[in-house]
Amino acid sequence: GAVVSQHPSRVICKSGTSVKIECRSLDFQATTMFWYRQFPKQSLMLMATSNEGSKATYEQGVEKDKFLINHASLTLSTLTVTSAHPEDSSFYICSAQWASGRPDTQYFGPGTRLTVL
Amino acid sequence: GENVEQHPSTLSVQEGDSAVIKCTYSDSASNYFPWYKQELGKRPQLIIDIRSNVGEKKDQRIAVTLNKTAKHFSLHITETQPEDSAVYFCAASIGQAGTALIFGKGTTLSVSS
Repeated sequence: GAVVSQHPSRVICKSGTSVKIECRSLDFQATTMFWYRQFPKQSLMLMATSNEGSKATYEQGVEKDKFLINHASLTLSTLTVTSAHPEDSSFYICSAQWASGRPDTQYFGPGTRLTVL
Repeated sequence: GENVEQHPSTLSVQEGDSAVIKCTYSDSASNYFPWYKQELGKRPQLIIDIRSNVGEKKDQRIAVTLNKTAKHFSLHITETQPEDSAVYFCAASIGQAGTALIFGKGTTLSVSS
């Protein structure tokens, strides 16, 4: 149990376009989902915390108008990178907390590799 | 702000030896400390975690110890195997459990046979 999926797994786009990444909890309801960014050979950096039905909480330095997060249901959160630029190229990973399970354990999705040309 | 320091950044051991990775955290309110293993290009996998009401936890070859007073926790892997080679991240909850995690910078463990 506690499976988290992400789609797409890999995306290449042109500079200036927008890209949407989906994060789904497949077999559990997630009260909270988190979005992280990971540059090559670096750690995971928290971008934002997403709660179902409310606005996301962004970490300092993360532009909320550039990284749009929508958490429409207990099983789906989306991250849209708007007007993407080459410096946005990174590995984006979501995680979800299981509402009925251990309240603090985070289950990670497989990640989305974004390359902006 | 909150910070998690992790050492060493790289660790090379011979198969069968033990490996120890240490982390310190700054937020005294943190009460949940997971360890993740990440292979290249893949998602982080939870390998063990500990909560502040416990000083030590063991799961087969893996153990974690926590010293709340000193604000540090460690991962111990015994009888290492080549398949243990990966990047290991420690993390601490930002404040109470159920909130976001702040990660250490990672330790690249290489186990040679």
